[in-house]
Formats: sequence, C-alpha cells, structure tokens
Amino acid sequence: AQSVTQLDSQVPVFEEAPVELRCNYSSSVSVYLFWYVQYPNQGLQLLLKYLSGSTLVKGINGFEAEFNKSQTSFHLRKPSVHISDTAEYFCAVSGSGGYQKVTFGTGTKLQVIP
Amino acid sequence: ETGVTQSPTHLIKTRGQQVTLRCSSQSGHNTVSWYQQALGQGPQFIFQYYREEENGRGNFPPRFSGLQFPNYSSELNVNALELDDSALYLCASSLGMDRGRYEQYFGPGTRLTVT
Repeated sequence: AQSVTQLDSQVPVFEEAPVELRCNYSSSVSVYLFWYVQYPNQGLQLLLKYLSGSTLVKGINGFEAEFNKSQTSFHLRKPSVHISDTAEYFCAVSGSGGYQKVTFGTGTKLQVIP
Repeated sequence: ETGVTQSPTHLIKTRGQQVTLRCSSQSGHNTVSWYQQALGQGPQFIFQYYREEENGRGNFPPRFSGLQFPNYSSELNVNALELDDSALYLCASSLGMDRGRYEQYFGPGTRLTVT
C-alpha cells in the first residue's frame, strides 16, 4: 500500500517570494513521484516527475523538487512565484512496477498575493 | 498531437440513474486510467485499462465499470447513482508500462452532479 501526505492545505505567499510545498509519502516498494498542478475548473497538468537518477528534478514553469529517500519526502519549490502560479498542487506516488495506479495527496492550494 | 478529451463537460443525473462518461486518449496511448475527484479532495483511482483489459482497480464498488475500445478510447459507467457520486471524473492516458514513458496525460474532466 502507498499513501501521500501533503502537510499544508493552503499556502499564501507574496508575489516574487520563494515557496515550498511539502509532500511526504509511504510505500513498501520503490516508487515514482509526481507533482501535478490543477487550475480552477481544469484537469491536472504534470509539473515534474521523479523516476530514478538525480534526486533534484526540474519541471515546467520554474518549479523543482527534491527526492529524499531517507525522509520519504518530495517537496516542491520555486524561488520566485508569480500571480499565475495560483492553483492547487497535488503530490502523487506510484509503484515502479508495471501497474500504474497513482495515489494522490489531498492537495495544497497556493495563493499568490500581489 | 490531440490531447485527452472527455465528454460531456457537465452532467446532471438523478439518484438511481445510470451514467456513461467518455474519454478519448492521446494519440498512440494504450493505457487509460479513471479517477474520481470529490470537491476539495485529491483524485481517487477508480481503475485502469491496458489494451482493452482492466489492469487494476481501486476501492470502488462494482457499479463502477469501464470499457476500453480497440482505438483505446474508453468509457466509465456508473449504475445506481448515489448522491456521493457527485464529483469531477478525470481520465488520464499514457503510453503504457514502459518506465521511460510513464507520464499520464489528464483530460479536463466531466463534472457529474447527482440530485
């Protein structure tokens, strides 16, 4: 079984400030990790993914995340946020085998304040 | 390259009715997954189809069923609708089991309201 915990349901941050959205996971097997973004009334868009290799993963829109196996974390960061980053962000985990069930966290709403 | 499309966009049904939601996968994708996203929650995995066979299922009752067609488009059927079935239903397609091509592409979703 696998699970994802997003510790913050809402994160307000001023424009051009840095932000970190926290994600912790649990799994009994090797995992793939993902961050998705969802804008209002839209589907999910993949920001970045960790499959293997370098633990620092860079994604779209200036976001990056670091996989920390010992702390079972995959926190999302951006050095300077824009108003357009206001959205809900979901961390997700799947097993690294052929079965692609993806387990999502409950989401973090990022509100960028002008 | 056409993305994942879903129809209809919105749907209102009455408790006890049946509903069919449709999904067209991204071109070349042979795997499709369905998710239920209740208001204020993360998506919950319903099931996945790979080359027309159900490949895995989440914790949903049998009244949730699906199909995948030879062109890899898919349907989600829900029988005996309940009020708690009101949610955004998301379809996601991917290239399949190859680890190097794992990324799932999501459609915009179908908003189902059960009254």
